[in-house]
Formats: sequence, C-alpha cells, structure tokens
Amino acid sequence: GESVGLHLPTLSVQEGDNSIINCAYSNSASDYFIWYKQESGKGPQFIIDIRSNMDKRQGQRVTVLLNKTVKHLSLQIAATQPGDSAVYFCAVYTGGFKTIFGAGTRLFVKA
Amino acid sequence: DAGVIQSPRHEVTEMGQEVTLRCKPISGHNSLFWYRQTMMRGLELLIYFNNNVPIDDSGMPEDRFSAKMPNASFSTLKIQPSEPRDSAVYFCASSLSWGAGREQFFGPGTRLTVL
Repeated sequence: GESVGLHLPTLSVQEGDNSIINCAYSNSASDYFIWYKQESGKGPQFIIDIRSNMDKRQGQRVTVLLNKTVKHLSLQIAATQPGDSAVYFCAVYTGGFKTIFGAGTRLFVKA
Repeated sequence: DAGVIQSPRHEVTEMGQEVTLRCKPISGHNSLFWYRQTMMRGLELLIYFNNNVPIDDSGMPEDRFSAKMPNASFSTLKIQPSEPRDSAVYFCASSLSWGAGREQFFGPGTRLTVL
C-alpha cells in the first residue's frame, strides 16, 4: 500500500533563512502531489502542487521539487518569515481522489 | 465565497451519546471528504463522496461512524455511540473536480471531546 513519510518531524530555522521540508513516498504510480500548510487551530491550506510530468514548480517564495527516481519531494521556502511557522504536510495522489497525507513537519521560525 | 463551513466548532459530550458533525462544502464543488486528525495518527481520511455518492468509506473506523450527503450542499458525520477514543479534530474538505486541480479546501474543523 501507499506510505508517505517525512524525514524530520520538527524543523527550526532562523528568520530570513531558507527552509527545506522533505517527503518520501512509496508508490511509483503516484501522479500528483500537493503541499499543505496547517496553522494552529485551522484546517490545512493549499500551498503548491506538482504533477508527475514535472520536476520543479515555483510559487511565491515556495518551490516544490519532485524526484521520481527516488520517490522524493521537497518544499523549499525562501526567506522564511515568522508567519511561515506551521505544520506542513505533503499529500500524495495515486489516481482518483484518494489522498495519502504525510505525518507533517512542524516548522519553527526563530526571530 | 465563505469557504467550507463546519458546525459546531467545538463539541463536548459524554461517552455513549450521539454526535453529529455538519459540513457545507464550497458551492460548485462536487467532491467532499471527511478527515479525522489526532496527535497519534495524524490526518486520516474517513470517507469521501463524489456527486453526493460515497465512493470510499474504507477509512471509517467502525460501524459507530456513518456519513451522509443528502444533497450537494450538506453532509453529516455521525458517531453513535461516541467513545472517548473518538476525541479528535474532524475536518471536512471539498474539491472542484475529479481530474486536474484536485486541491482540497478544508473547513476550520470540529474539535470533539468525548468524556
């Protein structure tokens, strides 16, 4: 079955530095990936997505990298700000709508 | 758009009582999802509907849990009887389409505490 894992449950970065959050998945047929951000007391919120026919996608201050060879994706946040403090989830789709969410990485931004 | 609406936001009940959680998806979205989130198990998909029809309920923990979607703008998740281990935050999410853009929009959640 599908499994999604995160390399680090907690990440602490200095304000202004870049953050990298990683996610591994197991099913090579997975075709669509999303990163969500969850702030305290709120539901997860979409950040950025990427399809399996791409290896990189950029948004505002965020970049997602996909390495299908090793079944790994990462979320890079440039110039991390205090408002970026949250739990970040990768979500992996393998056909249809069924989503597997990773365990989440908690990002702390130190001022 | 107001986004996905869930009610109540907080629910405290006693073991054995029936609990009903409610969700109003974003207008025009044709897929709806119920999730449960706990510290121990993370975010778990319980059930999802497409065009008001349950597609996959394999995540529903046991027969005490049931979900309905009588129309495109309303869904309920019911627990009867409730148990302390059901305490969690329950999220409802909706999505626009089956193919491209499978982004899910989450509601604020219902924090359930079963004493």
